[in-house]
Amino acid sequence: AQTVTQSQPEMSVQEAETVTLSCTYDTSESNYYLFWYKQPPSRQMILVIRQEAYKQQNATENRFSVNFQKAAKSFSLKISDSQLGDTAMYFCAFRGPYNTDKLIFGTGTRLQVFP
Amino acid sequence: DGGITQSPKYLFRKEGQNVTLSCEQNLNHDAMYWYRQDPGQGLRLIYYSQIVNDFQKGDIAEGYSVSREKKESFPLTVTSAQKNPTAFYLCASSVQGADTEAFFGQGTRLTVV
Repeated sequence: AQTVTQSQPEMSVQEAETVTLSCTYDTSESNYYLFWYKQPPSRQMILVIRQEAYKQQNATENRFSVNFQKAAKSFSLKISDSQLGDTAMYFCAFRGPYNTDKLIFGTGTRLQVFP
Repeated sequence: DGGITQSPKYLFRKEGQNVTLSCEQNLNHDAMYWYRQDPGQGLRLIYYSQIVNDFQKGDIAEGYSVSREKKESFPLTVTSAQKNPTAFYLCASSVQGADTEAFFGQGTRLTVV
């Protein structure tokens, strides 16, 4: 069974600095999809970034980028130039290659951005 | 505007009572999901449905039931058999496809009193 592990329950960063959130996963599939979701204090889940395992290039969305290490089964999220609005819970998620595969979430990392 | 709507936002239930959480989407999505969120445990899948009139159990389906009579609607019933129902419940939907984004509602906070 696939599993997703986020080993950092809480992290903090100063505004304008860079922070990296860790995520590891376990699967026997060769292709799959990885996601980072953000849940701000409003509790509305928002997709931050996604990565397909077959694509070697790391995904980037503005200040958000990933470091995808397929062999190590690692999928970390880097937030550059942190802003106060980045304060949120961040969830790493995994989905296998088939349409019927479930979206599996990690336990989350609570990020606090300080002024 | 297109979106996914959960109601109510807050719900209180007496022990021994069943309660139904509403989830409606107008995104024309085939797939719908129910997750339970507890502190320190992330999101755990309760039930999901890929098509009307069909649904599958997730990882923690005991004490819950669902129906999918319409594409737009996927209500979740928390039965009295659920031993610890106090939690935050999230509904999501997506188009078919493993690479697709799941869109979430704003959640329902259920408290057993």
